[in-house]
Amino acid sequence: GEDVEQSLFLSVREGDSSVINCTYTDSSSTYLYWYKQEPGAGLQLLTYIFSNMDMKQDQRLTVLLNKKDKHLSLRIADTQTGDSAIYFCAVRDQKVTFGTGTKLQVIP
Amino acid sequence: DVKVTQSSRYLVKRTGEKVFLECVQDMDHENMFWYRQDPGLGLRLIYFSYDVKMKEKGDIPEGYSVSREKKERFSLILESASTNQTSMYLCASSLEGEQGAYGYTFGSGTRLTVV
Repeated sequence: GEDVEQSLFLSVREGDSSVINCTYTDSSSTYLYWYKQEPGAGLQLLTYIFSNMDMKQDQRLTVLLNKKDKHLSLRIADTQTGDSAIYFCAVRDQKVTFGTGTKLQVIP
Repeated sequence: DVKVTQSSRYLVKRTGEKVFLECVQDMDHENMFWYRQDPGLGLRLIYFSYDVKMKEKGDIPEGYSVSREKKERFSLILESASTNQTSMYLCASSLEGEQGAYGYTFGSGTRLTVV
């Protein structure tokens, strides 16, 4: 089955850019997602990208997709303390597979 | 505001008890899912349902069952709770088909502790 890998932890200073990375194994994945989970809460869909796109920008969020390397990234510009959360990458082919999540810590 | 509601935020149950986790969505979604979330393991799919009275096993169904008698309600049942079922349980829903590709809506989660 599909494997989706993320690093477990990322620490950045407030105002810097954050880049959260994700790799996956199934090249037939059609939709790729980023979810955010704040402490004690469920997951919230942040953005998604179709596999025929290379980039998608939405305000402070930029998603980059490298299909050749099966690599997805989420860039958060001007990171704020409110961005502290766990970020999950997910990919969809016949079903949706979630990554392990990256905990983003924003240092004031 | 559309949402997925899980009946309990925190539950403490004893080993061997039968446990019911309830999930209700008000979006008229066809698909509903139960995941468990454990540190370092991400989200793992337990069961899902594409229609009323329909259920499919996910990746880790052992020790669990589900019930979907109405479209809006999807229940997860732990037949005989064990300590290794201590976890955060997340319910999600989505539209069917290509519209469902636009992502899931999650509930706030139920943190279950089995003692």
